[in-house]
Amino acid sequence: AQRVTQPEKLLSVFKGAPVELKCNYSYSGSPELFWYVQYSRQRLQLLLRHISRESIKGFTADLNKGETSFHLKKPFAQEEDSAMYYCALCGTSYGKLTFGQGTILTVHP
Amino acid sequence: EAQVTQNPRYLITVTGKKLTVTCSQNMNHEYMSWYRQDPGLGLRQIYYSMNVEVTDKGDVPEGYKVSRKEKRNFPLILESPSPNQTSLYFCASTWRRGGNTGELFFGEGSRLTVL
Repeated sequence: AQRVTQPEKLLSVFKGAPVELKCNYSYSGSPELFWYVQYSRQRLQLLLRHISRESIKGFTADLNKGETSFHLKKPFAQEEDSAMYYCALCGTSYGKLTFGQGTILTVHP
Repeated sequence: EAQVTQNPRYLITVTGKKLTVTCSQNMNHEYMSWYRQDPGLGLRQIYYSMNVEVTDKGDVPEGYKVSRKEKRNFPLILESPSPNQTSLYFCASTWRRGGNTGELFFGEGSRLTVL
């Protein structure tokens, strides 16, 4: 079975502070990991995926197979980063996609 | 404009009254799926479809049915809705080429209340 855990339901930081949203997964094979984001009044959208290894809106995430983690990081948070963030895992067949419980990030001015 | 369209966006119904939530995409995507979003539980996959006439269960399929007769449409059917199916539902689609997949495009969501 595949599982994704986001231990923090809520995360609050001040503008300019570093932020890290945690994601741990359980999967026996080689998963594909994603971060999706939902800004207020907008559709859920892809933020980044581990195979791309790119930085989007200043966010990065590294897949750590040893710790089975895919934490999302940004060195300097901005108010516009306030949103709901979901970590997601897809197994090798891609059909089944498992999301975590989500983390609401609030960046205070 | 590339879109995933769900209807209805809001619905209040009563226990046992069959309903269908439609989902349509105009991007010629092979893959489509349904999720429900509940507080504290995040997004949970109900069903997915890899292509026309190919569907499979996600993590929470009980009480739901789907069909994929056409590539663009993937309706979610609640044969006998119950109050525990009160939720926010999302449809999503993406492309598949060989072993590669694209990002999921989500609909705006359908808020369903079952009394």
